[in-house]
Order: sequence, then structure tokens, then C-alpha cells
Amino acid sequence: AAGVIQSPRHLIKEKRETATLKCYPIPRHDTVYWYQQGPGQDPQFLISFYEKMQSDKGSIPDRFSAQQFSDYHSELNMSSLELGDSALYFCASSLKGVSEAFFGQGTRLTVV
Amino acid sequence: GEDVEQSLFLSVREGDSSVINCTYTDSSSTYLYWYKQEPGAGLQLLTYIFSNMDMKQDQRLTVLLNKKDKHLSLRIADTQTGDSAIYFCAEGLTDSWGKLQFGAGTQVVVTP
Repeated sequence: AAGVIQSPRHLIKEKRETATLKCYPIPRHDTVYWYQQGPGQDPQFLISFYEKMQSDKGSIPDRFSAQQFSDYHSELNMSSLELGDSALYFCASSLKGVSEAFFGQGTRLTVV
Repeated sequence: GEDVEQSLFLSVREGDSSVINCTYTDSSSTYLYWYKQEPGAGLQLLTYIFSNMDMKQDQRLTVLLNKKDKHLSLRIADTQTGDSAIYFCAEGLTDSWGKLQFGAGTQVVVTP
């Protein structure tokens, strides 16, 4: 069965650079969620989209923005990167009204 | 996570049962989830339970929910070395399935 696809899997950026992470949800899923997991920490909710509209916002820094496109894929844009942004970024998708959210393998971002 | 608490470590012998405990605080939680994360990997949804249920069994996994005490447990029968991982419990709300509040995770180490 198709799963949530994230790209790239690994990304190394320098401080103050910009990064774009992509997420392709499971086919027919209409909702996408972004999470940040720091080293040794639990995943923290950043933001979610339903039908291309932002549906919920968590602890997402102002330097980050995200959107969901007409094909339901989503991109997380991160600017002015800081060392503390180094983390595993997960995307999850679900179908509205259904209880299960499925996570991708994550993108490991390292800021040097 | 602040609102979801788990013990941090569990060591169990192969073939024994593992029990991972979790407490949550949000009484409006509708679904409670268990995710498994292996080193460097994504979050795998193991099982979930609706808040009006007491128990759910799925092959080797048994979830018990004590709604009065806001206590959730995951029992893994006949624990195998492949069960070594970090296990996260998470709570979610009806109106935002994928916006989850995770616990800090319990590292389960299975010894031969």
C-alpha cells in the first residue's frame, strides 16, 4: 500500500540558509500535518492543512511557512535556519473524519 | 509532551510480556494512539482506542484504557527482539485527527 512520501530524506544546510521539505500524502488523503522531532524528544505539532487551507497551527516559528497544493502535496519552507532547527521533520496524512494519521519516514535536517 | 506522560525506559526478556504505561490530562481527548519508532525511522501507527472503549486487542497487542484515571497501557505479548524501539502514546481530538499530543516515549529494550 502507498505510504506518505517525504523528500528529501536527509538535508544539510548552513545557518541562515533556506530549506524546503516536501510531503506527498497517501492517495485520497485530504489532510496533511507537519511535526518536528528534536534529538531525544517527542514529535511536536507544527501546522496542518485540510483541502489546501490551514486548519490548525502549533508551535511553528514565524520563520517557517507551509502550504498545501491542489494535488494535496505539501511543502514546509524554512528560512533563516538556526542550529536549533536541526531535527527530524515528519509529515502525516489522514482522511477527514477518519481517526488514523499515517506518518512518513521523515526528513532529517541538519543545520551547520 | 507536557500533557502526556510515560515512563522512559523498559527492559524485558524475549518471550515475556511488556507493559508500557501512559497518563494523559486532556479529558476531551477522543482517540488515544500508540506509535512505534525504531532508530532513525518514522512513526509507525500500532493501534488506537476510542475514548469510550475499555480495551482493544489486536494480535499481540492489548490496549487498556481507564478513562477515570486517564491511564492508558499497551501490553505486548511474547515480546520479540524486533519489538525493541521507542513507543509513543499520543492523544488526539475528534475535530483534528492528526494533531496529536505525544508523550516523551518509552524506550523498550528486549534482551535474549
